Amino acid sequence: DAGITQSPRHKVTETGTPVTLRCHQTENHRYMYWYRQDPGHGLRLIHYSYGVKDTDKGEVSDGYSVSRSKTEDFLLTLESATSSQTSVYFCAISPSQGWDGYTFGSGTRLTVV
Amino acid sequence: AQTVTQSQPEMSVQEAETVTLSCTYDTSESNYYLFWYKQPPSRQMILVIRQEAYKQQNATENRFSVNFQKAAKSFSLKISDSQLGDTAMYFCAFNGRGAQKLVFGQGTRLTINP
Repeated sequence: DAGITQSPRHKVTETGTPVTLRCHQTENHRYMYWYRQDPGHGLRLIHYSYGVKDTDKGEVSDGYSVSRSKTEDFLLTLESATSSQTSVYFCAISPSQGWDGYTFGSGTRLTVV
Repeated sequence: AQTVTQSQPEMSVQEAETVTLSCTYDTSESNYYLFWYKQPPSRQMILVIRQEAYKQQNATENRFSVNFQKAAKSFSLKISDSQLGDTAMYFCAFNGRGAQKLVFGQGTRLTINP
């Protein structure tokens, strides 16, 4: 398999609680991304990283933070989960700014109740 | 900002038919990359085909081919001899040369009927 794993695969959480999703890669790729997938919107970029401790915001970053302390791990934190953050979250990796496309993780389905 | 538009939310064809999925994009860049991804019910995102804007020749991968019209900013995907396993969501995506990230369209849900 591709060398990228996301955990957990499914999660149900309550409104107002913090949630952290983990993305782990064994490919030593420089670029890592977090997207959310919602019907009618395709995939929208939340945050991305272009190196250890180097991150930047995407188009839907409000309410989310990220950290990358090691090349292989990229964490996405929902600081205080809301129902609007119910979604499927995908992590992706790339060696080349995405010019060759991404390799995706299997996704995390998050439900906020 | 670049945008990607897939104007067909859903399509349905019979097995063995040919189907074309549409994608248009908006950019002021001259050098960029375009992609089609497939997402079957398993949820896994699979790269189907990639096109570099500076290459005139349309990319082909087995039964999958693209019609890249740079002036029209159009990038359609043709699936020949469609199979039941082609049933999936298909996403068109754009990456500008200096952008570091992909922008995705809304997706087209394709159903292949037996």
